[in-house]
Amino acid sequence: AQSVTQLGSHVSVSEGALVLLRCNYSSSVPPYLFWYVQYPNQGLQLLLKYTSAATLVKGINGFEAEFKKSETSFHLTKPSAHMSDAAEYFCAVSRSGGYNKLIFGAGTRLAVHP
Amino acid sequence: DAGVTQSPTHLIKTRGQQVTLRCSPKSGHDTVSWYQQALGQGPQFIFQYYEEEERQRGNFPDRFSGHQFPNYSSELNVNALLLGDSALYLCASSMGQLNTEAFFGQGTRLTVV
Repeated sequence: AQSVTQLGSHVSVSEGALVLLRCNYSSSVPPYLFWYVQYPNQGLQLLLKYTSAATLVKGINGFEAEFKKSETSFHLTKPSAHMSDAAEYFCAVSRSGGYNKLIFGAGTRLAVHP
Repeated sequence: DAGVTQSPTHLIKTRGQQVTLRCSPKSGHDTVSWYQQALGQGPQFIFQYYEEEERQRGNFPDRFSGHQFPNYSSELNVNALLLGDSALYLCASSMGQLNTEAFFGQGTRLTVV
């Protein structure tokens, strides 16, 4: 079975500060891992994905994440927060080997204040 | 490219009624998956359609059913609506069974009263 735990349902940072959103996964098979962002009243947009290549993955809008197998983690970071980063972020896991159903975490709402 | 389009964007139904939601995949995509996102939660996988057949299914009752048409568009049907079915329903499309990336539509907000 696969599962995702996102630590912290709400994270608040100042504009220009480091963004760190935590994600831990559980998987009995090699996982694929994803981070999605959801703006109000919109669908999900893929930020980045890990599919067993490089462990440090760079995505859109300056975000990156590092796959750490020993810690079963896939934390999302951005060096400098921007007001436009305020949104809901979801970590997801799937089985490797092509597209399979995504198992999502409960999400982390990121607030960015001036 | 219009991306993944869903209709309607919002609708309100009464308990016990039936509802049909529609999804047109991104151009070139042949696989459609449906997710339910309750308020304040992450999306949950309902089922996936490929080659007009249900290929994977999540932990949802038989009241939830679907269909995929030859043009790859898809419908999600929910019978005997319950208050707990109120949620944002998301459609995601992907290309083939070997591609790892899914593109999501903006969703249909269903409210059951």
